[in-house]
Amino acid sequence: DSGVTQTPKHLITATGQRVTLRCSPRSGDLSVYWYQQSLDQGLQFLIQYYNGEERAKGNILERFSAQQFPDLHSELNLSSLELGDSALYFCASSGRNSNQPQHFGDGTRLSIL
Amino acid sequence: AQKITQTQPGMFVQEKEAVTLDCTYDTSDPSYGLFWYKQPSSGEMIFLIYQGSYDQQNATEGRYSLNFQKARKSANLVISASQLGDSAMYFCSIKAGNEKLTFGTGTRLTIIP
Repeated sequence: DSGVTQTPKHLITATGQRVTLRCSPRSGDLSVYWYQQSLDQGLQFLIQYYNGEERAKGNILERFSAQQFPDLHSELNLSSLELGDSALYFCASSGRNSNQPQHFGDGTRLSIL
Repeated sequence: AQKITQTQPGMFVQEKEAVTLDCTYDTSDPSYGLFWYKQPSSGEMIFLIYQGSYDQQNATEGRYSLNFQKARKSANLVISASQLGDSAMYFCSIKAGNEKLTFGTGTRLTIIP
């Protein structure tokens, strides 16, 4: 158990819809990262938050947005969903030191029909 | 920008044998960390081992060790006495400069009884 909690585990929806993925980091971790894993793109970094503030942005589409709340949980919002958005979405958290690993949640598997 | 190359898409290894998973990396940042993760068929990402660019000794964690050759920019994962439960995808990743992880394409390891 990594200590990172992601909900829901599975999500099935249709094109054009909007979904929200939720992540609770490990106790004490201030950084939250979102990654997308798809067959064609592999594991891609989307966005990072640190203590409520956006810290870094990767290959995140404009249709996607995220935020980190005062209790440090984070949400990833995906809108105007397309078939290509079907993927496994991971949240990870880490401590302050750069040599600390990122611990991953079990992921949310998103299927767009 | 950072890059990870894993040249072995798949490997088959007899149970109880040692196995080496290859990883080469590219970064212009003098300070970086290398992280290996295991992804079983159930999908979760499990942190295995970390090597810092300034670490003088190769990292070890139980049956996992890292063969770190800085001049060659390689960070191969060695699993000793392989077990059936080691069958999984293995990802090499690097963190440098900003805090995101850049992943390789992974190696699918299958342990044969």
